[in-house]
Amino acid sequence: DAEITQSPRHKITETGRQVTLACHQTWNHNNMFWYRQDLGHGLRLIHYSYGVQDTNKGEVSDGYSVSRSNTEDLPLTLESAASSQTSVYFCASSGSPSGTNTGELFFGEGSRLTVL
Amino acid sequence: QQPVQSPQAVILREGEDAVINCSSSKALYSVHWYRQKHGEAPVFLMILLKGGEQKGHEKISASFNEKKQQSSLYLTASQLSYSGTYFCGTEHGDYKLSFGAGTTVTVRA
Repeated sequence: DAEITQSPRHKITETGRQVTLACHQTWNHNNMFWYRQDLGHGLRLIHYSYGVQDTNKGEVSDGYSVSRSNTEDLPLTLESAASSQTSVYFCASSGSPSGTNTGELFFGEGSRLTVL
Repeated sequence: QQPVQSPQAVILREGEDAVINCSSSKALYSVHWYRQKHGEAPVFLMILLKGGEQKGHEKISASFNEKKQQSSLYLTASQLSYSGTYFCGTEHGDYKLSFGAGTTVTVRA
């Protein structure tokens, strides 16, 4: 079955370190998204991509970067981790192999990041 | 810009009804509704496209008022399994969703 997986599921790091969260989907979706979830704020969009070599900033992109070198993966990098980036991160994808886009988001299980 | 959801939380007894509202300051192309159980990923419930379509699944239905830029989710005859946090996601024709802060629903026996 097609799926979307994130790794690591849990990570503890120190302020100033670079961290990369992986996201891999086998849906063959064109659209991929990274959200962070914090209490009281719901899900906020960090970066998104509509296809290979395409990346766009979301509403809370400062301190984060992404790259899209193939259809399946959209890794999220924190260049210099800060305590304010302690959060749960969700990757999601949408679209369909047939080209039609229902818009429904399929979420990964989430990555809990703690920055000390 | 994130849509505004209300109420923030609601407590129900089994069999009671509830309404969750979602409003946007920008014109909407579609509205999505998701439910998230504690410690899990959000799960898709339904999508409503502009045109005022009302869709439903079992006893959970929703409406979309394009003119008012609002959507409402209706939980009818609630069950224990309906407990969770409900999020509306608004989309403006660009396939990316902005989510509200969520509404926590607790259904008690």
